Amino acid sequence: AQSVTQLDSQVPVFEEAPVELRCNYSSSVSVYLFWYVQYPNQGLQLLLKYLSGSTLVESINGFEAEFNKSQTSFHLRKPSVHISDTAEYFCAGITGGGNKLTFGTGTQLKVEL
Amino acid sequence: DTGVSQDPRHKITKRGQNVTFRCDPISEHNRLYWYRQTLGQGPEFLTYFQNEAQLEKSRLLSDRFSAERPKGSFSTLEIQRTEQGDSAMYLCASSVSGGSEDEQFFGPGTRLTVL
Repeated sequence: AQSVTQLDSQVPVFEEAPVELRCNYSSSVSVYLFWYVQYPNQGLQLLLKYLSGSTLVESINGFEAEFNKSQTSFHLRKPSVHISDTAEYFCAGITGGGNKLTFGTGTQLKVEL
Repeated sequence: DTGVSQDPRHKITKRGQNVTFRCDPISEHNRLYWYRQTLGQGPEFLTYFQNEAQLEKSRLLSDRFSAERPKGSFSTLEIQRTEQGDSAMYLCASSVSGGSEDEQFFGPGTRLTVL
């Protein structure tokens, strides 16, 4: 069974519009959750993470994600996207020992003018 | 650049050949991870090291795959008798101590194409 599920493989959106990228996790995943971003021809970069404390976490470039235990979700949102946000976004969680990451299948965010 | 580096960035090989990839983690990072990413999928865990010790291997890592980190610094991933199904992006990541709060920093990956 998929431990981390990203329901949307592609999300097209116009610049300055809001966006939500969905992520759900299963019980096999710990509550340490992450969003990574992969820009074209670049490596994965950590966008934000939830470890404990406030359920709303923010990144430096305007993204935020909310940990929702009852809905087992960790959706990523941004109120107004920019062309430069075009990238692939991966939700991930820690599974088992060793802090290995289990990733979702990714969501391609395409921001259009 | 003091990030994670991987070499080569691209490798094209014929089925049945052996290939070796190298990963140089961020210095003083004692944990090193290998992941594999195929088209349309997220990265999948292969194996990880703490210092020079290989602590866990995924079931994805068949006996044709071997990874080493001889001095607790750089690591190599070797695939013997490559198959077309091995075609993927191989990612390396490192972290400072392995705590859950420790960010894994990823390299740019090595893209393997098996003809």
